[in-house]
Amino acid sequence: SQTIHQWPATLVQPVGSPLSLECTVEGTSNPNLYWYRQAAGRGLQLLFYSVGIGQISSEVPQNLSASRPQDRQFILSSKKLLLSDSGFYLCAWSSMGNTIYFGEGSWLTVV
Amino acid sequence: KQEVTQIPAALSVPEGENLVLNCSFTDSAIYNLQWFRQDPGKGLTSLLLIQSSQREQTSGRLNASLDKSSGRSTLYIAASQPGDSATYLCAVENTGNQFYFGTGTSLTVIP
Repeated sequence: SQTIHQWPATLVQPVGSPLSLECTVEGTSNPNLYWYRQAAGRGLQLLFYSVGIGQISSEVPQNLSASRPQDRQFILSSKKLLLSDSGFYLCAWSSMGNTIYFGEGSWLTVV
Repeated sequence: KQEVTQIPAALSVPEGENLVLNCSFTDSAIYNLQWFRQDPGKGLTSLLLIQSSQREQTSGRLNASLDKSSGRSTLYIAASQPGDSATYLCAVENTGNQFYFGTGTSLTVIP
């Protein structure tokens, strides 16, 4: 069966520090991969999605970036965090026509 | 750009009551529509997936309907239980493997 792992689960980082959130998927090949952010009291905002290795599409211009170095690995990064980057980050995967599966999420607090 | 709206934002009902959650979307060219459940601080769990050619899906006490032409979906929960308390989100998948989420309905079932 397919599983998705996301880490770290919680993170407290100072303003201006770098960020790296990692996500891996097991049990499937060539998945579509996504990073979403969920701010308090708001819906899910699509940040990045990828349909293949090295193929990244960005929905919202920001100081975040994403990379897909391997088929089932998706990384969310920042060189310098802002206070506004605080939120709940969710990694997800899907295959054509099927449901989207989410990781357990990563809580990021920028202080 | 696809916009997904959910009404009401919050709902509180006594245990045993039947209830309906509403979801609307602006672009009817969807691939499918899904309903998710999110417990506090957790990722999303898929409840029901309705393909664009379908009108409804049922799972246990849950029934979801889809009227693609009018851009509407409803999630019906029968005989609500305290364990149903959570946030319910709907999402549509456009062609291009992009998922757009509503802001959710926070449900509280009072024992």
